Amino acid sequence: GAVVSQHPSWVICKSGTSVKIECRSLDFQATTMFWYRQFPKQSLMLMATSNEGSKATYEQGVEKDKFLINHASLTLSTLTVTSAHPEDSSFYICSARVGSSGNTIYFGEGSWLTVV
Amino acid sequence: AQSVTQLDSHVSVSEGTPVLLRCNYSSSYSPSLFWYVQHPNKGLQLLLKYTSAATLVKGINGFEAEFKKSETSFHLTKPSAHMSDAAEYFCVVFSTFGNEKLTFGTGTRLTIIP
Repeated sequence: GAVVSQHPSWVICKSGTSVKIECRSLDFQATTMFWYRQFPKQSLMLMATSNEGSKATYEQGVEKDKFLINHASLTLSTLTVTSAHPEDSSFYICSARVGSSGNTIYFGEGSWLTVV
Repeated sequence: AQSVTQLDSHVSVSEGTPVLLRCNYSSSYSPSLFWYVQHPNKGLQLLLKYTSAATLVKGINGFEAEFKKSETSFHLTKPSAHMSDAAEYFCVVFSTFGNEKLTFGTGTRLTIIP
């Protein structure tokens, strides 16, 4: 079946540095990908919607200059956390929509970010 | 606007007994509805989805859900719980019209008692 791959699964970075998380659709094209943040024992919070070839649409309250999203191809979207701080430590999950108008969405395995 | 309400934050059942996880939704358009499962420290796995075809949807691992428009519900059931079913379950609504977003419920943690 369809698979969405996230890399890295775990990352530790120093405060003030930037870290990039990749989200790939392995066997389908994804015009739209979504980035979520999940705090412990909570539901997923949508951060932004990433559309191939155009700027991402950010949710209210999400700093677009801090969380840079690039969707350069139909199979890859990246989230870069810039100038990371300890409060950015979280579980980040991406999802990808099959095709351009489908209603099947698959999720990646998530990426744990710890900022020290 | 759309929303999802998972009525129980935590459900405990004994192994071998039925599972019922409740979900109610609201949507301005005909929605697609999903159930996802999340095991600890993992991403989300699609269990099943409803997309305006059959109202009774069968998913993986013996789970199924019934779409009831009159009750705006999409409850998840399984006849016999297994220890491996212990996880967090999310009910999700997605509309392909208007604002195309996935809206998540707050999740239900399922505990299986040996």
